[in-house]
Amino acid sequence: GDSVTQMEGPVTLSEEAFLTINCTYTATGYPSLFWYVQYPGEGLQLLLKATKADDKGSNKGFEATYRKETTSFHLEKGSVQVSDSAVYFCALTRGANSKLTFGKGITLSVRP
Amino acid sequence: DTGVSQDPRHKITKRGQNVTFRCDPISEHNRLYWYRQTLGQGPEFLTYFQNEAQLEKSRLLSDRFSAERPKGSFSTLEIQRTEQGDSAMYLCASSTRTRYYEQYFGPGTRLTVT
Repeated sequence: GDSVTQMEGPVTLSEEAFLTINCTYTATGYPSLFWYVQYPGEGLQLLLKATKADDKGSNKGFEATYRKETTSFHLEKGSVQVSDSAVYFCALTRGANSKLTFGKGITLSVRP
Repeated sequence: DTGVSQDPRHKITKRGQNVTFRCDPISEHNRLYWYRQTLGQGPEFLTYFQNEAQLEKSRLLSDRFSAERPKGSFSTLEIQRTEQGDSAMYLCASSTRTRYYEQYFGPGTRLTVT
């Protein structure tokens, strides 16, 4: 079945550091890929998406590129802020049923 | 647009009791999803509706679980004869049919079975 694997956490960075969170997936066909974020005390929110190979999703300074050859969708940000502290989930959906398959999530803490 | 709402936000129940959760999706969204999230894990799909039709159920949804969406508006998720393993956060999400990949999540209902 479909699966998403995220790097182990948690991750702690200083403000303005560069962020990379790894995500790889297993799925047949051509899934759509997503990063969702959960800020403390809030619900899951869609951060960015990519629906086909080589697409780059971007939002709020975060970027991720859909790499079919490496089945990856790594999340990057050039300069993190304290307000980026949250739990980040990589996810995929495949086909018209649209159910999301999530990774385990990773907690990011950014120190001032 | 008030977003997806869920009620209650927290529920503590004794093992063996029945519980029911409610989800109100964004009004123009015709798809509604239920997920379950346990500590340290990502959400896991349980079931989804398009309008009032329940189109898919996960094998995680045992016969003690039932979900309904009468009239294609709000949805309820009932768990009968709760077990300690049912303790989790139950998340509801909604989307339009065409932009199904953009699911908007509610705050969740945290269930604790004692």
